[in-house]
Amino acid sequence: KQEVTQIPAALSVPEGENLVLNCSFTDSAIYNLQWFRQDPGKGLTSLLLIQSSQREQTSGRLNASLDKSSGRSTLYIAASQPGDSATYLCAVRLISGGYNKLIFGAGTRLAVHP
Amino acid sequence: NAGVTQTPKFRILKIGQSMTLQCTQDMNHNYMYWYRQDPGMGLKLIYYSVGAGITDKGEVPNGYNVSRSTTEDFPLRLELAAPSQTSVYFCASSYGQGSYEQYFGPGTRLTVT
Repeated sequence: KQEVTQIPAALSVPEGENLVLNCSFTDSAIYNLQWFRQDPGKGLTSLLLIQSSQREQTSGRLNASLDKSSGRSTLYIAASQPGDSATYLCAVRLISGGYNKLIFGAGTRLAVHP
Repeated sequence: NAGVTQTPKFRILKIGQSMTLQCTQDMNHNYMYWYRQDPGMGLKLIYYSVGAGITDKGEVPNGYNVSRSTTEDFPLRLELAAPSQTSVYFCASSYGQGSYEQYFGPGTRLTVT
């Protein structure tokens, strides 16, 4: 059974730091991996989607890497800002049956203080 | 376009009551999903639909029902609400599977007391 784990569960840093959020999954037979941002009281916003054949994706100050063989992904946030404060969720899409379902981790709650 | 919209935003139910959570998308997406998120946990799939008239169970379907009579709407029905159904419910949609992203609504926070 696929399990997705995110470490750390919570992180508090001063503004300007470079951050690494970790995601691990137990079954390497994934279709892709997606990082989401969740703000309090709001839905999820997709940040980056990495296909299983890719090693990384970049968007602005965000860079996500994928090592399928070791079951790991990292989300790197450069020069963090208070506006980056949110919960970051990692989800893997499984290759199984007729429907590719998403399995979510519990998230990393990030607080960036001025 | 509005994307994925959900109503209501908040609701308190008494044990045994029923209600319908509404979800509408205006992106002409074929796939729609209902998830629940318990405190400190990731999202778990309740039901999904691959098109109008077609629905199927996800990981945690017990206590819920869905229907999909149109492409746009995917309501989630709770019958005989129980405290274990206290959660935040998210609806999502996507054009297809695989590499297609899922777009999420803002969620409905439900408390059953």
